[in-house]
Amino acid sequence: EAGVVQSPRYKIIEKKQPVAFWCNPISGHNTLYWYLQNLGQGPELLIRYENEEAVDDSQLPKDRFSAERLKGVDSTLKIQPAELGDSAVYLCASTSRSNTGELFFGEGSRLTVL
Amino acid sequence: GENVEQHPSTLSVQEGDSAVIKCTYSDSASNYFPWYKQELGKGPQLIIDIRSNVGEKKDQRIAVTLNKTAKHFSLHITETQPEDSAVYFCAASISSSASKIIFGSGTRLSIRP
Repeated sequence: EAGVVQSPRYKIIEKKQPVAFWCNPISGHNTLYWYLQNLGQGPELLIRYENEEAVDDSQLPKDRFSAERLKGVDSTLKIQPAELGDSAVYLCASTSRSNTGELFFGEGSRLTVL
Repeated sequence: GENVEQHPSTLSVQEGDSAVIKCTYSDSASNYFPWYKQELGKGPQLIIDIRSNVGEKKDQRIAVTLNKTAKHFSLHITETQPEDSAVYFCAASISSSASKIIFGSGTRLSIRP
């Protein structure tokens, strides 16, 4: 069974440029999460989807960040415009209703903003 | 909201010795405590978890203990091996699902040969 797939793995951009990250969760997993991981820190939740509905986006900086999961499967996280402080790893994770709380993470997308 | 504190931030132990990582949480309503291991360039992976209705859980060389009264929990790794080198995160959740998980800041464990 394939795991959570994220792309790109690495992205380097100039500040004020836009960037997008893509995530494909494990097949059948209806809940999808985007986490932010700063260097030397634990993951912090940005947004959680149940199918195509964003049920918790309270920590998403909505002035520059947006996300979508149009068909309830894969998802895109966008930053526009990017700032220096956005340099971090963006992790996607998924769980299914039958899981007992385990998050399945992708390998992450490392963003560097110059 | 929930706050999870983890220490130490770095830990170096001799191969074969034991390693202990400790965490405290603030919300007495938390009832689910997972531990994740993150290897370099990878996403975190669940290694063990414990729920508030038990005080200890063991899986081969790893064990977790939970003290609800003191609001702290610990990860114990015995007979450490080189492949145990990684960053370990504790977490706490007020829900038995993954929806409300708050992570600690991590412990970088190094195993000396």
